[in-house]
Amino acid sequence: EVQLVESGGGLVQPGRSLRLSCTASGFTFGDYAMSWVRQAPGKGLEWVGFIRSKAYGGTTEYAASVKGRFTISRDDSKSIAYLQMNSLKTEDTAVYYCTRDLPGYSSSWYDYWGQGTLVTVSS
Amino acid sequence: EIVLTQSPDFQSVTPKEKVTITCRASQSIGSSLHWYQQKPDQSPKLLIKYASQSISGVPSRFSGSGSGTDFTLTINSLEAEDAATYYCHQSSSFPLTFGGGTKVEIK
Repeated sequence: EVQLVESGGGLVQPGRSLRLSCTASGFTFGDYAMSWVRQAPGKGLEWVGFIRSKAYGGTTEYAASVKGRFTISRDDSKSIAYLQMNSLKTEDTAVYYCTRDLPGYSSSWYDYWGQGTLVTVSS
Repeated sequence: EIVLTQSPDFQSVTPKEKVTITCRASQSIGSSLHWYQQKPDQSPKLLIKYASQSISGVPSRFSGSGSGTDFTLTINSLEAEDAATYYCHQSSSFPLTFGGGTKVEIK
């Protein structure tokens, strides 16, 4: 059974950093691209970023709102995807979901989602 | 950035009615459009991929159509369990984007 479990959320002050983890199981993690999507309280879904599998260079793409502040990485040996969030702003407050993408260079649909982890940025 | 505009924002529907949700893209995205259902306090769930392709385990009353810039999600014979917010999502080009969502309420 495919499972994605996010962790690392919590309360953080503006300007500080936080790292989220997404631990995957039930599939060959290294074969798949992974994405992060967030949802501010009471709002819609917002795509955050994407990391390709190592077969496609392990390169990343980001939303303009987080580019230069957030970094996605992966450790295929541990089946974990990370979202490093620096210089956090109050508007980054959201539930953060990791999602399984498809093998390949481009992104596609998300057939599996984690349960989400809440990040609250407040002084 | 490709903007996805969903309509309506909200719909109140009686059971067994047909529901139609539209998603318009600001430029052509071919068939790279996917639909998700999100119930309160749950993660989104994939309903339709590539505009019209069904997903295993999703009830057959859910269907999708369209290509280019105009897409439709149809729920035939709405059931009480379909109360949720529905989102479209494009994977044609980065940055990826979602529509603003359509909340479906059961009367």
